[in-house]
Amino acid sequence: EIVLTQSPGTLSLSPGERVTLSCRASQTIRSNYLAWYHQKPGQPPRLLMYGASSRATGIPDRFSGSGSGTDFTLTISRLEPEDFAVYYCHHYGSAPFTFGGGTKVEIK
Amino acid sequence: QVQLVESGGGVVQPGRSLRLSCAASRFTFSNYDMHWVRQVPGKGLEWVALISYDGTSKYYGDSVKGRFTISRDNSKDTLYLQMNSLRVEDTAVYYCAKVAFAAAAGIELIQFWGQGTQVTVSS
Repeated sequence: EIVLTQSPGTLSLSPGERVTLSCRASQTIRSNYLAWYHQKPGQPPRLLMYGASSRATGIPDRFSGSGSGTDFTLTISRLEPEDFAVYYCHHYGSAPFTFGGGTKVEIK
Repeated sequence: QVQLVESGGGVVQPGRSLRLSCAASRFTFSNYDMHWVRQVPGKGLEWVALISYDGTSKYYGDSVKGRFTISRDNSKDTLYLQMNSLRVEDTAVYYCAKVAFAAAAGIELIQFWGQGTQVTVSS
C-alpha cells in the first residue's frame, strides 16, 4: 500500500497569498496517477488536479500541480475566499488506492 | 450534471449488517467503474472498494476485506455496498464516487462524488 504524507497539517493564510502544499508518497506512483481534491465543510470532495499537473474541468488557473515519482506539490498562486478548505492528495494507480491525511488551509 | 444519491445509512449495532445503495443518473452508468469511499466526520478519507463497469472485477481496502461486498445492477443504474459484521470503527460517512474515464481507459481517477450517507455503528 502506498502511504501518502501531506504537509503541513494546517496553514493559516490571508486571501491573496500564495500557498504550496506537499504530498510525499512512500513509493513511486506509476504514470503520475496523483490527484488533488479540496473539501469544504458538509460537502463531498471536489477534484482539482489529476495526473499530477492537469487541471480538472472548471478549475481556475490559479491552481497548479507539479511533481513526479514520490514528491508532488499543489500551488495556489493567489488565495481566494472560496479556497479555504481541506486539501487531499490521492493516488489512483492501482488498488489499494489511498489518500493523504489532508492539509487544512484556514483564514488567518 | 452527474447525480449520485446514496441511501441506506443509519444506526446499527456492532456485528449487524447494512446495505447501502447509490442511485446514479445523468450519465451512462454501465460504462464507468465505481468506488465507495468513507470518511469519519472531521477526519480524512479512506478508500473502501472499487467495482469495474461490468461488475466482473472488485477490489477492497484491507480494513473491510471479507466483510464488505461491492456490487452493481446496471439495469437499475445502482451501486451497492453490503456491509456485514459491522464494527464501531466502520462509523463514517460513505460516499459513492464515479471515475472520470469510461471503462476501456482502466484509469480509476475519482471525478465525482455523491453527498454521502452516514453509517453509525453503536451499541
